[in-house]
Amino acid sequence: QVQLQESGPGLVKPSGTLSLTCAVSGGSISSSNWWSWVRQPPGKGLEWIGEIYHSGSTNYNPSLKSRVTISVDKSKNQFSLKLSSVTAADTAVYYCARVQTYCSSTSCYEDGAFDIWGQGTMVTVSS
Amino acid sequence: AIQLTQSPSSLSASVGDRVTITCRASQGISSALAWYQQKPGKAPKLLIYDASSLESGVPSRFSGSGSGTDFTLTISSLQPEDFATYYCQQFNSYPREITFGPGTKVDIK
Repeated sequence: QVQLQESGPGLVKPSGTLSLTCAVSGGSISSSNWWSWVRQPPGKGLEWIGEIYHSGSTNYNPSLKSRVTISVDKSKNQFSLKLSSVTAADTAVYYCARVQTYCSSTSCYEDGAFDIWGQGTMVTVSS
Repeated sequence: AIQLTQSPSSLSASVGDRVTITCRASQGISSALAWYQQKPGKAPKLLIYDASSLESGVPSRFSGSGSGTDFTLTISSLQPEDFATYYCQQFNSYPREITFGPGTKVDIK
């Protein structure tokens, strides 16, 4: 079964760039799924950051769009997140997740739900 | 952007109670709504998708209903392992946009 694993620095300096990678195992990142990043500040709710398809197409949360870049590396079966100009407000647990998709022989349907999640990685923005 | 509200924000209940959580969208989203359960220190777990479809492996005491702007998650008989925070999440296709509700914490009375 597909598993996701986040990795990256746990501490980033203010005004710096947060960089995380999500490794996909047990399946191919080139499947008919979108791959997302979601974050959760300590003690708060969930926030969708953005997503990528294996073709490289992306969609971002409008509130973060100016600072976010999500990319895919099909050769390594992984996708990555970069968040620039970080502040303390970007301190959070960052999750990668897969958007659920069902495919028949002729078409695919996605319901927009996240069926598989990584365990999450805590990133603290502090000097 | 579509906003989601949840009520209540928290509730206290006993084992065996029937629990209902409501999620309201700021505009119609058809049935593009999911529900998640999250326990402390863990990633969210998908319970319900397409507003009323039970994810594989999720106990049948969980059910979802609704369409348009008003949705509910019901736990028919609360079990000890159900004490957690529950989030709704909407999916808009065009433009692609995903939003979570603020969450409902269910704790022990």
